[in-house]
Amino acid sequence: SYVLTQPPSVSVAPGTTATITCGGDKIGTKSVHWYQQKPGQAPLLVIYYRNDRPSGIPDRFSGSNSGNTATLTINRVDAGDEADYYCQVWDSSNSHIVFGGGTKLTVL
Amino acid sequence: QITLKESGPTQVKPTQTLTLTCTFSGFSLSSTGEAVAWIRQPPGKALEWLAFTYWDDDKHYSPSLKSRLNISKDTSRNQVVLTMTSMDPVDTGTYFCVHLAVSAYYLDYWGQGILVTVSS
Repeated sequence: SYVLTQPPSVSVAPGTTATITCGGDKIGTKSVHWYQQKPGQAPLLVIYYRNDRPSGIPDRFSGSNSGNTATLTINRVDAGDEADYYCQVWDSSNSHIVFGGGTKLTVL
Repeated sequence: QITLKESGPTQVKPTQTLTLTCTFSGFSLSSTGEAVAWIRQPPGKALEWLAFTYWDDDKHYSPSLKSRLNISKDTSRNQVVLTMTSMDPVDTGTYFCVHLAVSAYYLDYWGQGILVTVSS
């Protein structure tokens, strides 16, 4: 089955840029979706399809995807961005939804 | 506006069967292109996909849990039901009902989740 690998944690200072990676075999051929989850809350879709943002998600959030790595980039990070972030793809070979292990973003 | 809400027991005993109901609004599972998924999350751990059903009753399950899961829909009541047999303490976690956008298979609307504890 398809596997997505994320770093367990990323730490950045406020006002800087956070990059969270999601590795997978030829992931660049897939659509990668990203979710933000704050403690005690349901996940929130922040990036979907190629690099689309749902209504209400600031343009500080963006996604890119090439080769074996997809990346979520958050510009001008603030304390409100501190959360767990998950990547997700559709494994069309067997019709499975696949999540990465999640990355905890800490704003120093 | 799409909303989903999970309901069911918050505590079950080991070996029992868990039955969760998702009641949704804002779309119809009898409409072409619609789908609903179940996702779970053990405390402090990652999200895990369990199952989803399409509008046409086609269903798919996580391979590691397939033998224990059943998903069904009641379009007249706007509900999706998930059953999981042989519950174990490791199945403790929050269970989410989610609208699946099949255009690109992303999860765009989430229920609030229900915390299920498996304990004797």
